[in-house]
Amino acid sequence: DTAVSQTPKYLVTQMGNDKSIKCEQNLGHDTMYWYKQDSKKFLKIMFSYNNKELIINETVPNRFSPKSPDKAHLNLHINSLELGDSAVYFCASSQEGASGRLFFGEGSRLTVL
Amino acid sequence: DAKTTQPPSMDCAEGRAANLPCNHSTISGNEYVYWYRQIHSQGPQYIIHGLKNNETNEMASLIITEDRKSSTLILPHATLRDTAVYYCIVRVGGQAGTALIFGKGTTLSVSS
Repeated sequence: DTAVSQTPKYLVTQMGNDKSIKCEQNLGHDTMYWYKQDSKKFLKIMFSYNNKELIINETVPNRFSPKSPDKAHLNLHINSLELGDSAVYFCASSQEGASGRLFFGEGSRLTVL
Repeated sequence: DAKTTQPPSMDCAEGRAANLPCNHSTISGNEYVYWYRQIHSQGPQYIIHGLKNNETNEMASLIITEDRKSSTLILPHATLRDTAVYYCIVRVGGQAGTALIFGKGTTLSVSS
């Protein structure tokens, strides 16, 4: 079983649309993250949730809204998509109080046309 | 901003040891050194981490200097599949509210 799974893996959509990317982890971790990797390959932290509570919120447009229905899920909803939102989005999880090692999903490639 | 400095690229012959350096001169006493790698556009993969002592696992060895201002990741017998971007990251271990801050990493090219 995949430890951190994201769906969809590929998403192509038009500007102005609203889309969601889902993430689920079966590791029993209490912290989940969303990272964005742009065309220049920089990996940037966007959000982090610990036990369903938002604890990290980097400078991200409010068109991006993370939602954590439970500890095992952290979904990313994006409103009014723009060309600059095209990127690969990675979900990750970790168990705080332990080594702090992060486990990453395989990424969701979003292309906005 | 990333608190580490790494060379942008390195080459290594297949079968030889790959030694990837990292400077982290401003590391705090409670910060660990983590190494991750990203093969092509896959999700970053954990390699190893350490606080003060040298560490070894099935993938690699981590050598941390005594003053903890720099470290070296060693892949003892590099293979073509080790071609990837390698990231050295410092972070307070296991603490909610901190995330891995990725820098530009080192692109390691292993050739036959």
